[in-house]
Amino acid sequence: QLQLQASGPGLVKPSETLSLTCTVSGGSTSSSSYYWGWIRQPPGMGLEWIGNIYYSGGTYYNPSLKSRVTISVDTSKNQFSLKLSSVTAADTAVYYCAILYYDTRAFDYWGQGALVTVSS
Amino acid sequence: DIQITQSPSSLSASVGDRVTITCRASQNINNYLYWYQQKPGKAPKLLIYAASSLQSGVPSRFSGSGSGTDFTLTISSLQPEDFATYYCQQSYNTPYTFGQGTKLDIK
Repeated sequence: QLQLQASGPGLVKPSETLSLTCTVSGGSTSSSSYYWGWIRQPPGMGLEWIGNIYYSGGTYYNPSLKSRVTISVDTSKNQFSLKLSSVTAADTAVYYCAILYYDTRAFDYWGQGALVTVSS
Repeated sequence: DIQITQSPSSLSASVGDRVTITCRASQNINNYLYWYQQKPGKAPKLLIYAASSLQSGVPSRFSGSGSGTDFTLTISSLQPEDFATYYCQQSYNTPYTFGQGTKLDIK
């Protein structure tokens, strides 16, 4: 059973960089069967797709965030990461890591979510 | 970007009711439409993939239909554990986009 665990600082100052890591268990980030993705949800609001990365390193980003986002994968640690630069209060959200199956393009498995608050 | 319009935004129903939620895409997305259930403080859970395929472990009272631009999630007989927020999502093109959500609560 695939499991995902997001971790990182819960508080980030405005203009700084938000950094989160998702640790994968029960599966391999080297697998060609999955994309590894990030999705966020501001408090009380809906879901926004941030981006995906494939095991080969190919990335797909939401154009609304593309200039500030970097997603990377570390197959040696079985982790993938999100960096979002120049954050503002509008970036306050629960950040979910998730697995997108290559065949179905469904987000089959989700991590528990990490609340990141942007505040000085 | 492909816009997904989900309706209604909220819905009150009783245990045993049949409930329908709809999503309309701004362009043809074939069957790349997915339905998720989210309970407070929890991550979304996949219910339906490829518009009409039931995810393993999901009760058969959930069903999905549609293709192209118009899609429906139906819960045939509401159970107490079904009161939650439901989202549809398209994976036809990036950026992947979600509907605004439907909050289903107890009448």
